[in-house]
Amino acid sequence: TQLLEQSPQFLSIQEGENLTVYCNSSSVFSSLQWYRQEPGEGPVLLVTVVTGGEVKKLKRLTFQFGDARKDSSLHITAAQPGDTGLYLCAGVHASGGSYIPTFGRGTSLIVHP
Amino acid sequence: GAVVSQHPSWVICKSGTSVKIECRSLDFQATTMFWYRQFPKQSLMLMATSNEGSKATYEQGVEKDKFLINHASLTLSTLTVTSAHPEDSSFYICSARDITRVGYEQYFGPGTRLTVT
Repeated sequence: TQLLEQSPQFLSIQEGENLTVYCNSSSVFSSLQWYRQEPGEGPVLLVTVVTGGEVKKLKRLTFQFGDARKDSSLHITAAQPGDTGLYLCAGVHASGGSYIPTFGRGTSLIVHP
Repeated sequence: GAVVSQHPSWVICKSGTSVKIECRSLDFQATTMFWYRQFPKQSLMLMATSNEGSKATYEQGVEKDKFLINHASLTLSTLTVTSAHPEDSSFYICSARDITRVGYEQYFGPGTRLTVT
C-alpha cells in the first residue's frame, strides 16, 4: 500500500490570507493530481503534475511536484471564500501494469469573509 | 470535455434489497473506472478498480459478492450493492480514466447518496 500523508487536515483562515497544503510519501509516483471537492459533489480535477520539480499555476493556486516525485504542495495566495472546500491529493503509481491512485486524507479548508 | 455522469444521484432503499448505480463517461473512452466510498468529512476510500471486459479488482476488506461491479463497455461501469444493510449507507463516487491522457488522472462523477432504511 502506497501511503500519502496530507497536511494539514483542517484549515480555517480569513479572506486574503495565504496557505499551503502538503502531500508527502516515501514512494515515487508516476504522476500526482490535486482535486477540490464541495459537499455532496464529486471531486473536480485541478491539476496533474508529472515531471519532478514541475510547477503549475492556476490563477491564485500554485502546485509543485517534488524533484524526486515523492511529494507535492498546493499554495493558495489571497484566499477567498469561494476557495472553501475539501482539497485532495492523489498519487498514481504503477502496480502490475495498472496505475492505481492513492489519496491523501484531504484538507478541509474554510475561508471566512 | 472529460465528463462523467452517475445515476442515480440519490437513492433510498429498504434493508435486504439491491441497488444498482451506473457510471458513464460521456465524452471519452475509459478502459479503467474506479469505485469509491466516502464518509462525511473524510477522504475517498477506493473499493475496486474496474477494467473493461475483465473482472474487477477489489481492495482488501471489500466484499466482492456484496459489491458487484460490471464494466461492460468503454463508457459504462455499474456497481450493485446486494442485500443492502443500513451500514452500507454512504456516498459512493465513481471515476473514469481517459485512455488518451498520459497523466493517469481520473474524472469523477457527481456521486450517489445511498440511504438504507
